[in-house]
Amino acid sequence: GEQVEQRPPHLSVREGDSAVIICTYTDPNSYYFFWYKQEPGAGLQLLMKVFSSTEINEGQGFTVLLNKKDKQLSLNLTAAHPGDSAVYFCAVRNRGSALGRLHFGAGTQLIVIP
Amino acid sequence: EAAVTQSPRNKVTVTGGNVTLSCRQTNSHNYMYWYRQDTGHGLRLIHYSYGAGNLQIGDVPDGYKATRTTQEDFFLLLELASPSQTSLYFCASSDDRDYEQYFGPGTRLTVL
Repeated sequence: GEQVEQRPPHLSVREGDSAVIICTYTDPNSYYFFWYKQEPGAGLQLLMKVFSSTEINEGQGFTVLLNKKDKQLSLNLTAAHPGDSAVYFCAVRNRGSALGRLHFGAGTQLIVIP
Repeated sequence: EAAVTQSPRNKVTVTGGNVTLSCRQTNSHNYMYWYRQDTGHGLRLIHYSYGAGNLQIGDVPDGYKATRTTQEDFFLLLELASPSQTSLYFCASSDDRDYEQYFGPGTRLTVL
């Protein structure tokens, strides 16, 4: 079955620095990809979703890159600020997944130091 | 606005106790999920469902039962709680368009 590896598990950066989180998946039939953000004491909130092509999506201060050739999904915070401190999860859906299942990475705890 | 609510938000019970965690979604989604979140393990899927009366076993089902009574309501049952079930539990729902999952705020369960 699908395996999703996320790295690093912990990341500490200074305010204004960039931060990169990478997920690698195994199933070449994966076709929906998600990044979630979990703030302390809260549930997961969708940050961005990307679909079945190599693409770059840009949001508020971050960029998501999907590289299907290397089966890699990355989240790049371009200039981190303390409000970005959270746990980030990637999630992957593949065509063989039953009943809407997503496969989650183990999460990255990001700390942004003022 | 999609909405998933969970109750209770916090629960303390003793070993051997009986606990029911509740989840309600008002998204008109067919799929619902129960996860547990533990440090070092990320999110682990316990049970999930495609609709009222449907139940599917997830990756860590031992010690848990679930019941989907309506499209909106999904319950997680711990009939003989053990300390290893101390965790943060999340419910989520999704549809079958893009499978984005909407999460509830979580229930923190402590088994003494």
